[in-house]
Amino acid sequence: AQSVTQLGSHVSVSEGALVLLRCNYSSSVPPYLFWYVQYPNQGLQLLLKYTSAATLVKGINGFEAEFKKSETSFHLTKPSAHMSDAAEYFCAVSDTGRRALTFGSGTRLQVQP
Amino acid sequence: NAGVTQTPKFRILKIGQSMTLQCTQDMNHNYMYWYRQDPGMGLKLIYYSVGAGITDKGEVPNGYNVSRSTTEDFPLRLELAAPSQTSVYFCASSSSEQLSTLYEQYFGPGTRLTVT
Repeated sequence: AQSVTQLGSHVSVSEGALVLLRCNYSSSVPPYLFWYVQYPNQGLQLLLKYTSAATLVKGINGFEAEFKKSETSFHLTKPSAHMSDAAEYFCAVSDTGRRALTFGSGTRLQVQP
Repeated sequence: NAGVTQTPKFRILKIGQSMTLQCTQDMNHNYMYWYRQDPGMGLKLIYYSVGAGITDKGEVPNGYNVSRSTTEDFPLRLELAAPSQTSVYFCASSSSEQLSTLYEQYFGPGTRLTVT
């Protein structure tokens, strides 16, 4: 069975600081990995995905993530946080059969002025 | 394209009542999903469908039913609502036929349900 662990339910950074949100996965097959963002009272929006093409994946809004097989990690980063980045971020892994997503419990990012 | 739409946005049910959450997508996606999101938790899969007429259970199907008579619609039925079904429900869809968006899921805005 697949699983996703997000370390840190809350992360607070200053505007302009580096954003690092951690995600570790467990999968018996090469995974398809995703980061989604959820703004208050909205649905989930895809930030980026890894599908085994390149280990460094660039997404929208300046975010990127690096797939590290040896560490079973897919951490999300952004060099400089903006106030508009405040939201909840979910890491997810897809199975190849149902193509359903297994989500981590989420990390709420707070950006301080 | 409107993408994935869900109705209603909010609903309050009394214990034992039933209701149907509507989900429609206009992207001609063959896969559709229902998830629930509880506070402080990630989303959990309730049911999914790989095409019209084909549905299957996810991790948390108890107390729910689905049907898929068309490609566009995937309603979720709650029978005998219980407080444990208080949650935010998200519908999503994806395509197995578009390589550029393989495995990507597109989510609706959600339905916030309270059972009291």
